[in-house]
Amino acid sequence: AQSVAQPEDQVNVAEGNPLTVKCTYSVSGNPYLFWYVQYPNRGLQFLLKYITGDNLVKGSYGFEAEFNKSQTSFHLKKPSALVSDSALYFCAVWGYSTLTFGKGTMLLVSP
Amino acid sequence: EAQVTQNPRYLITVTGKKLTVTCSQNMNHEYMSWYRQDPGLGLRQIYYSMNVEVTDKGDVPEGYKVSRKEKRNFPLILESPSPNQTSLYFCASSLSGTSGRTGELFFGEGSRLTVL
Repeated sequence: AQSVAQPEDQVNVAEGNPLTVKCTYSVSGNPYLFWYVQYPNRGLQFLLKYITGDNLVKGSYGFEAEFNKSQTSFHLKKPSALVSDSALYFCAVWGYSTLTFGKGTMLLVSP
Repeated sequence: EAQVTQNPRYLITVTGKKLTVTCSQNMNHEYMSWYRQDPGLGLRQIYYSMNVEVTDKGDVPEGYKVSRKEKRNFPLILESPSPNQTSLYFCASSLSGTSGRTGELFFGEGSRLTVL
């Protein structure tokens, strides 16, 4: 069975600074990896995915993620954080016809 | 507008009173799924459906039933709700469970259920 770990419950960053939200995964075979964002009282929204190819994938709202096979990691990054980026972020892995999510990381961007 | 619609959005009920949370998508998606979200546990899959008349258990199926009689609808049924089913429920759909768009789920707005 596949699994995802997000080691940080919360990440705090000042507006304008770079941000990283960490994710490691475990899955049999080639990984299909995803990041989703959840704003308060809303459903989750797809941000980006890695299926194959370039290890750096770009997604919505200026976010990108770096896939590292040897470290089984898929960290979410953004060069310059915005206050509006404050939300709950979920990493996920696809396998056995299901999308398995991590527990989520709350990102708080201060003005 | 492409969307996944869940109803009701909020519900307070009592132990043992059967309820159904409806889910409908207008994107002609083959794959649909139900998740529950609990603090500190993230999202856990309850059931999923690869297509009409094809459903399968997720990680936490106990106490729930689903059906997929039409492509657009995937209701979640709680035959005898208990307090441990108090949670935030999300329905989601995807174009396919096997294509290159696998995993790109569209989520509904959520249904907050409280069982007293």
